[in-house]
Amino acid sequence: KAGVTQTPRYLIKTRGQQVTLSCSPISGHRSVSWYQQTPGQGLQFLFEYFSETQRNKGNFPGRFSGRQFSNSRSEMNVSTLELGDSALYLCASSSRDTSYEQYFGPGTRLTVT
Amino acid sequence: QKEVEQNSGPLSVPEGAIASLNCTYSDRVSQSFFWYRQYSGKSPELIMSIYSNGDKEDGRFTAQLNKASQYVSLLIRDSQPSDSATYLCAANNDMRFGAGTRLTVKP
Repeated sequence: KAGVTQTPRYLIKTRGQQVTLSCSPISGHRSVSWYQQTPGQGLQFLFEYFSETQRNKGNFPGRFSGRQFSNSRSEMNVSTLELGDSALYLCASSSRDTSYEQYFGPGTRLTVT
Repeated sequence: QKEVEQNSGPLSVPEGAIASLNCTYSDRVSQSFFWYRQYSGKSPELIMSIYSNGDKEDGRFTAQLNKASQYVSLLIRDSQPSDSATYLCAANNDMRFGAGTRLTVKP
């Protein structure tokens, strides 16, 4: 089975721009969660989507949004980028209905200048 | 209050020793717990999951869960330099992660 894939792997954006990150889960997994990882804050939960519906949301501003498509692929959008948004963005997929085990993709390294 | 707490470390053990990593959680609703290993520059990798009180062994790894004390631990026997990584604990309740414990195994 192919693992979780994320695109792009690296991204450099300017403050004020917006960015869209993509995640394709493991085949058969209907849950996709997004996390932000920074050296200072560790791994922080952004949101989870299951069957195209947002199930859970972390404590991030409304500039962070996401969606999930019918094929379970998910996108995350960050609008009006700030320098502090520079981080590794990870997505993880899970079957959710049978197991909470999550499998992570390689991440997208976002740098905001 | 953080929902999942880990000793931030760093933890250093000699090669061949037992490394003990600890995690406490605040939400009694949590039913499943996970340990992830993250090498520097890589994404987290699931190494153990545990659902019931007691011990669960997988090779050199043993996870221990005590729901009454809201405590979960990971023991790594015969530690190897390749075990040097950050270990993250997570509870299924919204999949919150601890801050991670950095383990260094010295040859």
